[in-house]
Amino acid sequence: QKEVEQDPGPLSVPEGAIVSLNCTYSNSAFQYFMWYRQYSRKGPELLMYTYSSGNKEDGRFTAQVDKSSKYISLFIRDSQPSDSATYLCAMSVAAGNKLTFGGGTRVLVKP
Amino acid sequence: GAVVSQHPSWVICKSGTSVKIECRSLDFQATTMFWYRQFPKQSLMLMATSNEGSKATYEQGVEKDKFLINHASLTLSTLTVTSAHPEDSSFYICSALSWRGRKETQYFGPGTRLLVL
Repeated sequence: QKEVEQDPGPLSVPEGAIVSLNCTYSNSAFQYFMWYRQYSRKGPELLMYTYSSGNKEDGRFTAQVDKSSKYISLFIRDSQPSDSATYLCAMSVAAGNKLTFGGGTRVLVKP
Repeated sequence: GAVVSQHPSWVICKSGTSVKIECRSLDFQATTMFWYRQFPKQSLMLMATSNEGSKATYEQGVEKDKFLINHASLTLSTLTVTSAHPEDSSFYICSALSWRGRKETQYFGPGTRLLVL
């Protein structure tokens, strides 16, 4: 069993819809949770950074962490075709430690 | 934001040759950099952690004599793939650790695509 599980998709939504992404994990020591966006043949770009449980909002993005369920989510409101990419969740035990990535979910927003 | 560059962006080489990839943090100093490998449609797999002025820490299963890492300054880490073979063909991505707003975050380079013939 992988430490971090993520549905590979693809997840196809119409433009303007809400994109809902999630990851589950098994290591209860994870404290820091991140979401990255990766376009094809490019490096990952940090979208959201969350410490411990709770919600965090930044523009059209909302990240949620539920440590009791070992479950994290990312929501993208008013999705745009430019949001089409692979979204990777990542987590670490301590700040600055190595990251453990999920497998990534490919998202396609259709105009 | 924190900017990380990689050079070259892509390289094609013959089997048996060595290839050096550079990772630079352009607007911040990074005592720690990470090297990842990503195969098509797969996630990033950490290869090693590079610390400035000390030996790199390799993940289990990664050959340290094949993947040489040097972190000689606070803005530059290099990965050398020695005696490359076709199975080493992959997308290599580095990240640099930045301390911003009381949190340490990894910022990634654009990646280097390596094709070994």
